[in-house]
Amino acid sequence: ETGVTQTPRHLVMGMTNKKSLKCEQHLGHNAMYWYKQSAKKPLELMFVYSLEERVENNSVPSRFSPECPNSSHLFLHLHTLQPEDSALYLCASSHSLAGDYNEQFFGPGTRLTVL
Amino acid sequence: AQKVTQAQTEISVVEKEDVTLDCVYETRDTTYYLFWYKQPPSGELVFLIRRNSFDEQNEISGRYSWNFQKSTSSFNFTITASQVVDSAVYFCALIMGGSEKLVFGKGTKLTVNP
Repeated sequence: ETGVTQTPRHLVMGMTNKKSLKCEQHLGHNAMYWYKQSAKKPLELMFVYSLEERVENNSVPSRFSPECPNSSHLFLHLHTLQPEDSALYLCASSHSLAGDYNEQFFGPGTRLTVL
Repeated sequence: AQKVTQAQTEISVVEKEDVTLDCVYETRDTTYYLFWYKQPPSGELVFLIRRNSFDEQNEISGRYSWNFQKSTSSFNFTITASQVVDSAVYFCALIMGGSEKLVFGKGTKLTVNP
């Protein structure tokens, strides 16, 4: 595997389910990000991790819970979601924090549908 | 506040036409970076270019070129002799010095017809 991978690519879940999205980067990067991409809206940054520590949390509802066990893996745990949470969830990584102006490399995303 | 505006929601051209995608940004910072990303139907965003606020030189990479003008706060992207494979959504983005937050525009969907 190369670059940034995400699993699953598609996920359909009910509002009472608990699921997790997985992201893995094979680039040796130190920073990882979760973004939400909804229809007709700009990409929204959700979480930023640098060296496994969370450095940014953009007022994301607690029904989204990130986890970064090491610098190569990032999870987004989901529980009691709402239909408006349906979106494409993108993971990205960069050599260091974007504040150092390093470009971010994105995965293909997980298309989430909440019924 | 920082903001990126891509006024063109959708553009449709015929193959071999030139096309320019507009990007206008707002920031009070003097140090910032601008980016362009391409999102093909497969979903992942592909990095195209990064430009810092102190470098106003235009850049050309093959059929792609970028025009950065601080006086008008614009960072426009031109594709010369467009091809069907250029069909995608293109995003312009901005990040301020010392920030982790990349601010994206809403994107421009480009369709190149054969």
